Amino acid sequence: QSVLTQPPSASGTPGQRVTISCSGSSSNIGSNTVNWYQQLPGTAPKLLIYSNNQRPSGVPDRFSGSKSGTSASLAISGLQSEDEADYYCAAWDDSLNGFWVFGGGTKLTVL
Amino acid sequence: QITLKESGPTLVKPTQTLTLTCTFSGFSLSTSGVGVGWIRQPPGKALEWLALIYWNDDKRYSPSLKSRLTITKDTSKNQVVLTMTNMDPVDTATYYCARLTGTNLRFDYWGQGTLVTVSS
Repeated sequence: QSVLTQPPSASGTPGQRVTISCSGSSSNIGSNTVNWYQQLPGTAPKLLIYSNNQRPSGVPDRFSGSKSGTSASLAISGLQSEDEADYYCAAWDDSLNGFWVFGGGTKLTVL
Repeated sequence: QITLKESGPTLVKPTQTLTLTCTFSGFSLSTSGVGVGWIRQPPGKALEWLALIYWNDDKRYSPSLKSRLTITKDTSKNQVVLTMTNMDPVDTATYYCARLTGTNLRFDYWGQGTLVTVSS
């Protein structure tokens, strides 16, 4: 059971816009920034969005992130077949001595 | 160019202790604000954070696994070592190390991962 809650799956057709949600609590998303990772099949995760809505160099602007309260969202516009992957949100949790928490992951299928 | 690579046994027996080494290049773990963390992923399942060590030797552990984990660093060798005691088949996973950095912290570079199977 992951601390951050994501839908297990999402789908869309090429060119569409899809969003993936990530729900947490006051001790993690409510207090800290959210990062998103993309994991293509058989590869290591790759940083996609950091600090809620910042894109690392090289990440297309089709990918965007937002945060409100204890929830965050990843949006992908102009969906492409190569976007088919697993997506994970992550945040620091201030409780106990502090620890990182990940979402359960969302498998995105491009139909 | 920043790279990280995990190394260690691919097969361990139940109750044994796992020792994994992350060897990195392109950055220094003596630089303020930098850390290296370990994250694992059981086959077909989600990512799970395990442990983190900062440049100043501050260490943090997953609350659920804290009693079994130890993380250390050797700055001169550019290595971070994770030990996990009392291994169980449910610990079978791909283990990743990743660099942590930034004012708003994030794991920005990841190793390729190493699959560890726990079986007798």
